[in-house]
Amino acid sequence: QKEVEQNSGPLSVPEGAIASLNCTYSDRGSQSFFWYRQYSGKSPELIMFIYSNGDKEDGRFTAQLNKASQYVSLLIRDSQPSDSATYLCALDRTDKLIFGTGTRLQVFP
Amino acid sequence: GAVVSQHPSWVICKSGTSVKIECRSLDFQATTMFWYRQFPKQSLMLMATSNEGSKATYEQGVEKDKFLINHASLTLSTLTVTSAHPEDSSFYICSAIRQSHGDEKLFFGSGTQLSVL
Repeated sequence: QKEVEQNSGPLSVPEGAIASLNCTYSDRGSQSFFWYRQYSGKSPELIMFIYSNGDKEDGRFTAQLNKASQYVSLLIRDSQPSDSATYLCALDRTDKLIFGTGTRLQVFP
Repeated sequence: GAVVSQHPSWVICKSGTSVKIECRSLDFQATTMFWYRQFPKQSLMLMATSNEGSKATYEQGVEKDKFLINHASLTLSTLTVTSAHPEDSSFYICSAIRQSHGDEKLFFGSGTQLSVL
């Protein structure tokens, strides 16, 4: 079982809709979770991190963490075509980031 | 602006040659840097942790004699792919931890696309 699992997608949503990206992890002891956005051919950029159960909001982005169920999700409200990218979920394991394979999001006009 | 500078951004080389990739932290000292490799449509895979002044720590399955890492200063880590082969063609990304006022933040370089012919 992979440490971090994501559906590779693509996830297609219309402009203005809410995009929901999900990630599950296997190590119940994991504490810190990160969402990165990666455009094709570019390096990842941090969107959000979350440590505590519940929701964390930052602008159009909301990260949700449920440690009991071992999943973390990212909601993007009012999706824009510029949000089209691959979204990587990552967890912190002894100061190393372990990445999921990423979900490709396509926002169409 | 960029916090971590990675150079070159792309390189094409012949099979059997060696390629050096540089990763520099700008305006901060990084005792720890990380090197990742990403194949097309796959996730970033951690190759090694680069520690200033000491030997790098390699992940399982990564050949330390093939991927030479040197972290000779607090602002520079280099990855040398020795005797490169076509299967080494990949996107290589470095990252560095910036510590400031008790807070840690990870910054990525812009990545290096390596193509081995």
